[in-house]
Amino acid sequence: AQSVSQHNHHVILSEAASLELGCNYSYGGTVNLFWYVQYPGQHLQLLLKYFSGDPLVKGIKGFEAEFIKSKFSFNLRKPSVQWSDTAEYFCALYSGGYQKVTFGTGTKLQVIP
Amino acid sequence: DTAVSQTPKYLVTQMGNDKSIKCEQNLGHDTMYWYKQDSKKFLKIMFSYNNKELIINETVPNRFSPKSPDKAHLNLHINSLELGDSAVYFCASSQANIHEQYFGPGTRLTVT
Repeated sequence: AQSVSQHNHHVILSEAASLELGCNYSYGGTVNLFWYVQYPGQHLQLLLKYFSGDPLVKGIKGFEAEFIKSKFSFNLRKPSVQWSDTAEYFCALYSGGYQKVTFGTGTKLQVIP
Repeated sequence: DTAVSQTPKYLVTQMGNDKSIKCEQNLGHDTMYWYKQDSKKFLKIMFSYNNKELIINETVPNRFSPKSPDKAHLNLHINSLELGDSAVYFCASSQANIHEQYFGPGTRLTVT
């Protein structure tokens, strides 16, 4: 069975600090990977996605993520966070066919001005 | 234009009642989903429909019954509501071969 782990449950950063949120998955085959963001009181929105090709993917609002197959990881990064990045971040995996998309438990990011 | 819409946005009701949540998408997607997000923000898939056919049915009490009249609509009916059903319910849609999901605004259900 596939699974997604996000070990950082709550991250607190000051503005301009660099961000890295961990995401590890468990699945032996080809995967599609996603990061979604949920701003307070809002719905989930796609930040970025990896299907194939360049393992370093760039998303909206200056976010990027790197797929490292050997480590089963897809960590999210941003060089300099802003207060407006305060949100819940979800990593997700899709393994193909009629399998469900599996979401991680989320990481709450709090950016202090 | 709203891509995925849900009604109502808020729903407050008493235990034992029956309620429905409606979802519509205008993206031309062929797959739709219902997710439940609890107070700890954990997101759990409940159902998935592809072209009106049920393809994913997670371990959900049979008080929850989805219905898809066409591939642009997926409704959720809940019978005999319980306190533990209080959560935010999100509808989402995608193309089956891509699975990039577009979420609706959510329905906050409160059972008292």
